[in-house]
Amino acid sequence: KQEVTQIPAALSVPEGENLVLNCSFTDSAIYNLQWFRQDPGKGLTSLLLIQSSQREQTSGRLNASLDKSSGRSTLYIAASQPGDSATYLCAALYNFNKFYFGSGTKLNVKP
Amino acid sequence: DGGITQSPKYLFRKEGQNVTLSCEQNLNHDAMYWYRQDPGQGLRLIYYSQIVNDFQKGDIAEGYSVSREKKESFPLTVTSAQKNPTAFYLCASSISAVEWFFGEGSRLTVL
Repeated sequence: KQEVTQIPAALSVPEGENLVLNCSFTDSAIYNLQWFRQDPGKGLTSLLLIQSSQREQTSGRLNASLDKSSGRSTLYIAASQPGDSATYLCAALYNFNKFYFGSGTKLNVKP
Repeated sequence: DGGITQSPKYLFRKEGQNVTLSCEQNLNHDAMYWYRQDPGQGLRLIYYSQIVNDFQKGDIAEGYSVSREKKESFPLTVTSAQKNPTAFYLCASSISAVEWFFGEGSRLTVL
């Protein structure tokens, strides 16, 4: 059974800190892994997508890595800002159709 | 602008009523999805459709029904058989399982 776990469930940091969010998945036969951002009461916005053949992707201050053999992905946020406060979800895609989502990490960046 | 529109944003249902959530996209995506999100949990797949007039059950399809008569539209009906329907519902569409767009969500509350 595919499961996706995210730790920590919540994180509070002062502005300017670099931080790492963790995601682990039980089945390494993923098609791709995506990181999403969700603001309160809103839908999801795709941040980064890593194909199964890739090791990492970068977009601005965000860097996501993928290690299929260990079933892990990390999202690195550099120089965090209050505007980064949101819930971050990782999702592993299997069989071209089925996403399995983690329960998210709720990030609060304090000014 | 292309995107996904969900309506209504908030919906209240009495016990025993069926309600229908609307999802419309103008992205020309073939695949559309319905997810349910409960507090502190990740998204769970209810139904998905890869092509018009065809749809498949996800992990938690019991008590829900869908139709896909048009490429742009994928409405979800929450039936009275769904014992715990209070949740946040998200619609998504995808092309080639790479580009994903989510709607803003519909929050259903049972009175």
